[in-house]
Amino acid sequence: DAMVIQNPRYQVTQFGKPVTLSCSQTLNHNVMYWYQQKSSQAPKLLFHYYDKDFNNEADTPDNFQSRRPNTSFCFLDIRSPGLGDAAMYLCATSTMGGGEKLFFGSGTQLSVL
Amino acid sequence: GENVGLHLPTLSVQEGDNSIINCAYSNSASDYFIWYKQESGKGPQFIIDIRSNMDKRQGQRVTVLLNKTVKHLSLQIAATQPGDSAVYFCSRSSGTYKYIFGTGTRLKVLA
Repeated sequence: DAMVIQNPRYQVTQFGKPVTLSCSQTLNHNVMYWYQQKSSQAPKLLFHYYDKDFNNEADTPDNFQSRRPNTSFCFLDIRSPGLGDAAMYLCATSTMGGGEKLFFGSGTQLSVL
Repeated sequence: GENVGLHLPTLSVQEGDNSIINCAYSNSASDYFIWYKQESGKGPQFIIDIRSNMDKRQGQRVTVLLNKTVKHLSLQIAATQPGDSAVYFCSRSSGTYKYIFGTGTRLKVLA
């Protein structure tokens, strides 16, 4: 089945140690998103790609970076994780039509020690 | 400013009863609204959507109502089942390809 896959499911990193989260999709969607979701809160958009065009949210810290080497894959890099970065990170996709629902992966739960 | 918020953080409903989850928004420029269901440890899952040129849309056991006059969105679940227990988020479009989520309502189904 076509889907959005996130790896790993759980990630533990140390304070200040760079970490990369991965997302892949078989839907061939043009748009890919990264959301941060803290406990009992709504998902918060960090950035999104429309094809190779990167769109950063104004309040996304510089500590968060992203790469999209091709249509299928997108990575979230946290350069120096702080304790406040512990959260669920959700990857999502949508078609290029605009005004379309998002397809989410199961998320990566990041812990920072 | 842009905002999508929910009136109640937790809703407890008896199994078999109908559930109504509400959502308020402040930006009248949005033209597309979506409800998602998120179960524990999983990503949000699409339930139903509605465009701003509609007032009501029905799915299987779910209905979404949109009142643009008062900027209010609601999700109605008929004959609520234990499997409906989850957190429900409303979301709205904000510009091209960008979607903002509301605070979320936890639905608890009582046996």
